[in-house]
Amino acid sequence: AQKVTQAQTEISVVEKEDVTLDCVYETRDTTYYLFWYKQPPSGELVFLIRRNSFDEQNEISGRYSWNFQKSTSSFNFTITASQVVDSAVYFCALILNQAGTALIFGKGTTLSVSS
Amino acid sequence: NAGVTQTPKFQVLKTGQSMTLQCAQDMNHEYMSWYRQDPGMGLRLIHYSVGAGITDQGEVPNGYNVSRSTTEDFPLRLLSAAPSQTSVYFCASSIGGATDTQYFGPGTRLTVL
Repeated sequence: AQKVTQAQTEISVVEKEDVTLDCVYETRDTTYYLFWYKQPPSGELVFLIRRNSFDEQNEISGRYSWNFQKSTSSFNFTITASQVVDSAVYFCALILNQAGTALIFGKGTTLSVSS
Repeated sequence: NAGVTQTPKFQVLKTGQSMTLQCAQDMNHEYMSWYRQDPGMGLRLIHYSVGAGITDQGEVPNGYNVSRSTTEDFPLRLLSAAPSQTSVYFCASSIGGATDTQYFGPGTRLTVL
């Protein structure tokens, strides 16, 4: 069975600190896709990144970076120099390359950034 | 582009009432889906559609119906609302299939009394 674990339920940091959100996934399939979504206090789900299982290259987008390691089944997300606007719930999700498949979400990590 | 839109944003129903949650997208996406978000349960797939005229069940379809008469619209019907259907409902769409990036609507917060 597939599973996504976000062990950190809540993280609190002060502005300008770097913070890493952990995501560990389980699947026996070799082809799958991983995602991160952000849910700010307003409630919508904002797409951040999509990565397929054959692309282990790390990615950086501004203050955001992602570290994908198949050897440890992890897809961690780092925010550099955090800002108050980064306060949100962050979800990691996994989907298999099969018909009828669903996004399998972790339970989310609530990030609070204080000024 | 408006992206994915959902109406209403909030709704309160009494047990046994029926209603339709609306979802529309203007991105010409083939794939659309409905998820519900519950505390401690994360998001779970209710129904999905791979194109106009085609729908299928997800993980938690009981008590819900969908139809897809056009590419743009994917309404979710609650047949006889129950308190267990109190949740936040998200509609999403992607250009091709489920493994493409799914873009979510703003959500509908439904309370069933």
